Amino acid sequence: AQTVTQSQPEMSVQEAETVTLSCTYDTSESNYYLFWYKQPPSRQMILVIRQEAYKQQNATENRFSVNFQKAAKSFSLKISDSQLGDTAMYFCAFMKGGSQGNLIFGKGTKLSVKP
Amino acid sequence: DAGITQSPRHKVTETGTPVTLRCHQTENHRYMYWYRQDPGHGLRLIHYSYGVKDTDKGEVSDGYSVSRSKTEDFLLTLESATSSQTSVYFCAISVSGRVTDTQYFGPGTRLTVL
Repeated sequence: AQTVTQSQPEMSVQEAETVTLSCTYDTSESNYYLFWYKQPPSRQMILVIRQEAYKQQNATENRFSVNFQKAAKSFSLKISDSQLGDTAMYFCAFMKGGSQGNLIFGKGTKLSVKP
Repeated sequence: DAGITQSPRHKVTETGTPVTLRCHQTENHRYMYWYRQDPGHGLRLIHYSYGVKDTDKGEVSDGYSVSRSKTEDFLLTLESATSSQTSVYFCAISVSGRVTDTQYFGPGTRLTVL
């Protein structure tokens, strides 16, 4: 069974600085997808970024980028130029290729951006 | 916004009563999912659907049933609610028609079972 581990329950960062959230996963699959979701206080789950395991290039979306280390089974999220609106819970998630789309989530990291 | 609504948004009920949560989508996407979110557990899959009348169990399906009689609606039923089912429930859809595509989530339903 696949598992996703987020080892940092809480983190904080100063506005405009850079922060990295960690995520590791355990799988024997070679075909899979990885995601980061953001959940602000409004509780809405918002997709941040997606990575296909077969792609060596790290995904980026504006200020958000990932460091995907397939051999190490690591998928960290880097937030550059942190903004107050980035304050949220961040969840890492895994999806096996060829599955029915079952997402497996980590327990989340609570990020606070301080002015 | 993937056109997903959930109803009700909040519900308080008593142990032993039946509860039905509704997920409605406006764009005829094939794949729909129900998750629950609890402190310390992240989100966990309850049931999912890959078409009308086609459903299957997820990780935490005990005590829940689902139905999908129309493409746009996916219902989650707690036949006899228990306090352990107090949670926030999220519906999700895959928007491209490929099962391994990104899932987009509804706004959630907070359910309290007293």
